[in-house]
Amino acid sequence: DIQMTQSPSTLSASVGDRVTITCRASQSISSWLAWYQQKPGKAPNLLIYKASSLESGVPSRFSGSGSGTEFTLTISSLQPDDFATYYCQHYNSYSHITFGHGTKVEIK
Amino acid sequence: EVQLSESGGGLVQPGGSLRLSCAASGITFTTDAMTWVRQAPGKGLEWVSGISGSSITTYYADSVKGRFTISRDNSKNMLYLQMNSLRAEDTAVYYCAKGLGFFGYWGQGTLVTVSS
Repeated sequence: DIQMTQSPSTLSASVGDRVTITCRASQSISSWLAWYQQKPGKAPNLLIYKASSLESGVPSRFSGSGSGTEFTLTISSLQPDDFATYYCQHYNSYSHITFGHGTKVEIK
Repeated sequence: EVQLSESGGGLVQPGGSLRLSCAASGITFTTDAMTWVRQAPGKGLEWVSGISGSSITTYYADSVKGRFTISRDNSKNMLYLQMNSLRAEDTAVYYCAKGLGFFGYWGQGTLVTVSS
């Protein structure tokens, strides 16, 4: 199975900061990568699909990049509503989908 | 408006069975693939199972293969997850989600607790 490694596991930042989260795949997944935001007690919310496509309704301060094995999620200017946990997820194969372990973005 | 609503969770003893349901509205259910994802308390997300719109193709995580069965009733816009031989490590919130690859719509989740 393809393993997804996210870093960092926790990130402390302030409102207005530029934030970058990295996700590495154990083998190439082309651009078959999605990013989600999850708040406590809530279902995940899709932010980015196909590595860099912004889901409808998601603020433009979120962006994704990368291909192959290395990917990044960037929040250009962190807002109070963005403090949450973020997950990457590959869908290179529908029979072996895996998520990263998550990155918690905390208030500094 | 897309709505996915899970039900059927609860407390079950190890070795027991449970059937989860997911009611869908606001989507073209008959052609939309559907997926179950779970999240153990305080842990990350784990993909469980997926099914094509026609039910022809199903997918399972190795951790549940042979124990869980995904199915759907397109006439009722319903998705199901039959869970047998439940183990403590199956304790989680179970979400249904639209799609097979990435998931743009999710339900609110239903909690399954496996404990004696």
